[in-house]
Amino acid sequence: GQQLNQSPQSMFIQEGEDVSMNCTSSSIFNTWLWYKQDPGEGPVLLIALYKAGELTSNGRLTAQFGITRKDSFLNISASIPSDVGIYFCAGQHTGNQFYFGTGTSLTVIP
Amino acid sequence: NAGVTQTPKFRILKIGQSMTLQCAQDMNHNYMYWYRQDPGMGLKLIYYSVGAGITDKGEVPNGYNVSRSTTEDFPLRLELAAPSQTSVYFCASSLTGHTSANYGYTFGSGTRLTVV
Repeated sequence: GQQLNQSPQSMFIQEGEDVSMNCTSSSIFNTWLWYKQDPGEGPVLLIALYKAGELTSNGRLTAQFGITRKDSFLNISASIPSDVGIYFCAGQHTGNQFYFGTGTSLTVIP
Repeated sequence: NAGVTQTPKFRILKIGQSMTLQCAQDMNHNYMYWYRQDPGMGLKLIYYSVGAGITDKGEVPNGYNVSRSTTEDFPLRLELAAPSQTSVYFCASSLTGHTSANYGYTFGSGTRLTVV
């Protein structure tokens, strides 16, 4: 199956710091999504990207659809304790199935 | 707004037992999915359905079965539980696929299954 690699695998940062993470694929995607999963809950959609080069923000979160269409990036500015969780990317070629990344675990130290 | 509801939240099974994980959505979504989540492995698609009466295999269907008799419900069946099926299972739904304005999936809160 399709494998999306996310890095870093985990991050420990101080409250107030900015965060950057990325997701790469061996194949081209037409859509990229970013999800956040809180402990004990299902993933919740944060940002959706539909075309190469697109830059989209949702509050303190900004995501970009890579020019090559094989990668995507997520940035969180001025992190706060409630940003803690696992962040997943997901990509779609065509049709309906999304492929999920392996996740980046974020810990914010107050 | 219930969204996607999964039951049970936790379950311990003995090897060889069977069980059904329930999933229901009240958003009139056509598409429904079952994923399993293993540590460090992301989400793997088990089965999906594009509408009532239609189901298809995903990446890891072995050891599971599904049915979709109604738009709302999409149960996942384990017939002979094995330790390799210890995982967290997520059900998700979406309105439609590629051309939908309502993008992405709505996930349930998961079922944590342990097979011993």
